[in-house]
Amino acid sequence: EAQVTQNPRYLITVTGKKLTVTCSQNMNHEYMSWYRQDPGLGLRQIYYSMNVEVTDKGDVPEGYKVSRKEKRNFPLILESPSPNQTSLYFCASSFSASYGYTFGSGTRLTVV
Amino acid sequence: SQQGEEDPQALSIQEGENATMNCSYKTSINNLQWYRQNSGRGLVHLILIRSNEREKHSGRLRVTLDTSKKSSSLLITASRAADTASYFCATVTTTSGTYKYIFGTGTRLKVLA
Repeated sequence: EAQVTQNPRYLITVTGKKLTVTCSQNMNHEYMSWYRQDPGLGLRQIYYSMNVEVTDKGDVPEGYKVSRKEKRNFPLILESPSPNQTSLYFCASSFSASYGYTFGSGTRLTVV
Repeated sequence: SQQGEEDPQALSIQEGENATMNCSYKTSINNLQWYRQNSGRGLVHLILIRSNEREKHSGRLRVTLDTSKKSSSLLITASRAADTASYFCATVTTTSGTYKYIFGTGTRLKVLA
């Protein structure tokens, strides 16, 4: 089944403890992206990647890192999480940026 | 900044009625897409309309695009309780060889049985 797999689904962590949210797609998509969704603010892009080893900042990149060493994986790293990073996170991939996204199921992160 | 702004923010209708949602944007676009999100789940792509298209259909969905007014509308005909969800528009723009998606804040649709 064509899908984007994110893990974990839920995560509660403490301020400052490094964490990684994994994202993997099995559709050979070149374009991948991370979003955060907050009430009243819609989806805001954190980082995106046009292809392997090509990443770029979205609208809200501060406090996040990404890497794209393989085409299928696009992990999101929070080196030192803070409470304002509590949010619902989505990974998405696309054949190209002119096609629709396939979204993962989301990761609900709480930083206390 | 939010490119796509949906209107209304919330909509409640009876099953069988039509639901119309609107999206306005500010800059030239490559294409515009509509997505559905069921409570807290991942977004599902519904339909894409390119900047040189004016109307597109998919099942009970009809999307229009007016580039002169920088607006789009999504019509769901003969709505069902299962259509209850949030609907988002996303604009795709091209800049210096890269693409950018910007999502709006969404319309919450409730279909009453």
